[in-house]
Amino acid sequence: DVKVTQSSRYLVKRTGEKVFLECVQDMDHENMFWYRQDPGLGLRLIYFSYDVKMKEKGDIPEGYSVSREKKERFSLILESASTNQTSMYLCASRLAGGSSYNEQFFGPGTRLTVL
Amino acid sequence: QKEVEQDPGPLSVPEGAIVSLNCTYSNSAFQYFMWYRQYSRKGPELLMYTYSSGNKEDGRFTAQVDKSSKYISLFIRDSQPSDSATYLCAMTIYNFNKFYFGSGTKLNVKP
Repeated sequence: DVKVTQSSRYLVKRTGEKVFLECVQDMDHENMFWYRQDPGLGLRLIYFSYDVKMKEKGDIPEGYSVSREKKERFSLILESASTNQTSMYLCASRLAGGSSYNEQFFGPGTRLTVL
Repeated sequence: QKEVEQDPGPLSVPEGAIVSLNCTYSNSAFQYFMWYRQYSRKGPELLMYTYSSGNKEDGRFTAQVDKSSKYISLFIRDSQPSDSATYLCAMTIYNFNKFYFGSGTKLNVKP
């Protein structure tokens, strides 16, 4: 079974802090994603990574950056946390390419509160 | 206009009822259509996917796609309290990395 783990389930940070959210997958997937989930807005894509050291902005990249130094690990960085970044953050991974659909596998999420 | 629209609910039904969950979309290029189930305090997990118009069955679940109307549905027969969750529709283009998600419908099945 694919397993996607996230470093923290709950996190409380102060405004202005630099925040690191870590995601690790164990199935050698090329693609990894970071979403935030807010009530009424669904999942919104922040960044995704095609492969190691490759990244592309999603719909809402402002205030975030990412790092993918190893294939299994994808980090989301909040450079200077703000209260409007309080949200549930979900990481996902997916096998790239192939001739058929490849699903995204999600981690359990990190609920971040910025005070 | 959002790419994918989904009624947020909540939807409350008695055990054994037939549940219908729906999404509409605007991009005719979408080819793969998915339903994810998300239990409280968990990440979404794939329930069903389909890539053609028509129906696809899996046990008590039926996914229906109408590309001409840009409308997809998920039917749950003989609903159980364990089906209580948020259901998200999602769609994408073949071999494309970006998935477009609905906002999710929260379902509560009462015993």
